[in-house]
Amino acid sequence: KAGVTQTPRYLIKTRGQQVTLSCSPISGHRSVSWYQQTPGQGLQFLFEYFSETQRNKGNFPGRFSGRQFSNSRSEMNVSTLELGDSALYLCASSQFLGEENGYTFGSGTRLTVV
Amino acid sequence: DAKTTQPPSMDCAEGRAANLPCNHSTISGNEYVYWYRQIHSQGPQYIIHGLKNNETNEMASLIITEDRKSSTLILPHATLRDTAVYYCIVRVAIQGAQKLVFGQGTRLTINP
Repeated sequence: KAGVTQTPRYLIKTRGQQVTLSCSPISGHRSVSWYQQTPGQGLQFLFEYFSETQRNKGNFPGRFSGRQFSNSRSEMNVSTLELGDSALYLCASSQFLGEENGYTFGSGTRLTVV
Repeated sequence: DAKTTQPPSMDCAEGRAANLPCNHSTISGNEYVYWYRQIHSQGPQYIIHGLKNNETNEMASLIITEDRKSSTLILPHATLRDTAVYYCIVRVAIQGAQKLVFGQGTRLTINP
């Protein structure tokens, strides 16, 4: 079965612009989480969605937002991009909220802000 | 959030068992320990998880100490394809939602 699909794979944006990243979870998975990975900070939790509702949020500014659609696909948006937002953005899905079995991660979207 | 501490790097010979340690001395009673690995430029891959008991699956074994303050991931017969960054993670549950708290991980290099 298809894995977690993230689009686009690579993205270059200019400071001040906004960007939208997309994540399609594994079919049947209803929980989607987003993580940011940078060389300095490592992997950091952004937020988790389940049944179109944000259930948990990490310590990121309000410029980072997300949403989930009725088909469980999720998008995250970053407004007023800063150089420090350059990172690999990873999406992970699981069947249920609080799923005991592990999340499945996508390959990520590499965002470069210039 | 409970934090994990791992050695930054380890080496292991191909065919040998790779034992990766992790300290999580502030873990709470309801927090699970998860192990993921990340091969360069890919998303993290789930390996195994446990709460109190030792666990084994087709990829690895997880040994958790009785006081739950540390654990060891064991790859029984390491291959070159096991070269990756291994993350020991505590899953923090908050009102049904959860998040994975990643540390810096251990860069494991399998040598031929």
